[in-house]
Amino acid sequence: GAVVSQHPSWVICKSGTSVKIECRSLDFQATTMFWYRQFPKQSLMLMATSNEGSKATYEQGVEKDKFLINHASLTLSTLTVTSAHPEDSSFYICSASSLVEPEGTQYFGPGTRLLVL
Amino acid sequence: AQSVTQPDIHITVSEGASLELRCNYSYGATPYLFWYVQSPGQGLQLLLKYFSGDTLVQGIKGFEAEFKRSQSSFNLRKPSVHWSDAAEYFCAVGAGGTGNQFYFGTGTSLTVIP
Repeated sequence: GAVVSQHPSWVICKSGTSVKIECRSLDFQATTMFWYRQFPKQSLMLMATSNEGSKATYEQGVEKDKFLINHASLTLSTLTVTSAHPEDSSFYICSASSLVEPEGTQYFGPGTRLLVL
Repeated sequence: AQSVTQPDIHITVSEGASLELRCNYSYGATPYLFWYVQSPGQGLQLLLKYFSGDTLVQGIKGFEAEFKRSQSSFNLRKPSVHWSDAAEYFCAVGAGGTGNQFYFGTGTSLTVIP
């Protein structure tokens, strides 16, 4: 149980284009989803927290107009990188938690590697 | 301020040897503690968690961790390491509740030599 998927796993795009990454909880309802960014050989950096049906809460320094997050249902959240530039190239990981586990356990997706040329 | 420290950036052990990965935390409330493992190019897999009860918790893949409140530690152990355990290990602390963020350590990279 508690499986989270991400799509795509790899994406290469041209500078200036937008890229959408999907995060799905496959076997549970995700009350909250989190989006992280991870640089090589570093820890995870929280970008934003999203609750179903609400606007996402962004961490300081994360441009909300550049990283658009939508959490339209209890099983799906999307991250759209708008007007992507090479510095946006990174590994993006989502996680999800549910009310079923009140301790707040987060289950992570496999990640999406974005390369902007 | 909340923080998690993993003092060992990189550890190398021989296959079959025991393993201990250290995690210390600074947290103002009752901590909810987690250990995750990440293989290269993959997401994080939950190994184990602690939020109440017995301070020695068992996880998957033969791992265990012990919560020591007096030392603000939550060290991960395994009695006999397998080559497949080579990965990056992250300790995390949270406040509990589905909407609360985690604070991650910087990770410990484990190499297993035959």
